Amino acid sequence: GAGVSQSPSNKVTEKGKDVELRCDPISGHTALYWYRQSLGQGLEFLIYFQGNSAPDKSGLPSDRFSAERTGGSVSTLTIQRTQQEDSAVYLCASSLVLGEQFFGPGTRLTVL
Amino acid sequence: GDSVTQMEGPVTLSEEAFLTINCTYTATGYPSLFWYVQYPGEGLQLLLKATKADDKGSNKGFEATYRKETTSFHLEKGSVQVSDSAVYFCALSMDFGNEKLTFGTGTRLTIIP
Repeated sequence: GAGVSQSPSNKVTEKGKDVELRCDPISGHTALYWYRQSLGQGLEFLIYFQGNSAPDKSGLPSDRFSAERTGGSVSTLTIQRTQQEDSAVYLCASSLVLGEQFFGPGTRLTVL
Repeated sequence: GDSVTQMEGPVTLSEEAFLTINCTYTATGYPSLFWYVQYPGEGLQLLLKATKADDKGSNKGFEATYRKETTSFHLEKGSVQVSDSAVYFCALSMDFGNEKLTFGTGTRLTIIP
């Protein structure tokens, strides 16, 4: 594909359920980032993957959040026991090393 | 920690008006600075960037100059168009090799014909 893709585009879930959000980066991009865009907190960094290095998880807001990147490509962000404050748009971006970050369209998560 | 303070919006201007959106930063070192734009219904995209003091980033008629002495990176455009209506985010990154972005709160710009 030409750009970063994310799925689903929208997700509505009930409080306490687990959700998985998927990101397909641009082919060949070694760096992958997750961000969250919410009304209360603005745009905030969550986690960063670069090649085979240990990910930078410093932005994850709680231990209910986790992410993995398989084979240096697709990434999945998992939120366990979702809470209403998790409602936000989750953005994925990818880049070459030290390059421009290209953002996906986001997944809008609504926790009821 | 590192932070970005951005002019509060929303901002409404008439077409062909001059635009300034203020952005200042706090950082322990020498960050790279960015302006990102989010057009209605579209994803975030890089508008321009500057990586060292006194650099000027420019794109689509927009400009911003990295001012270390005032820790600022104000966005300007001489004559705005209706198509410039969007949300603009100022951002910085610090670490060489881990360019996670720290964003400002965003400024919604509306241009009226």
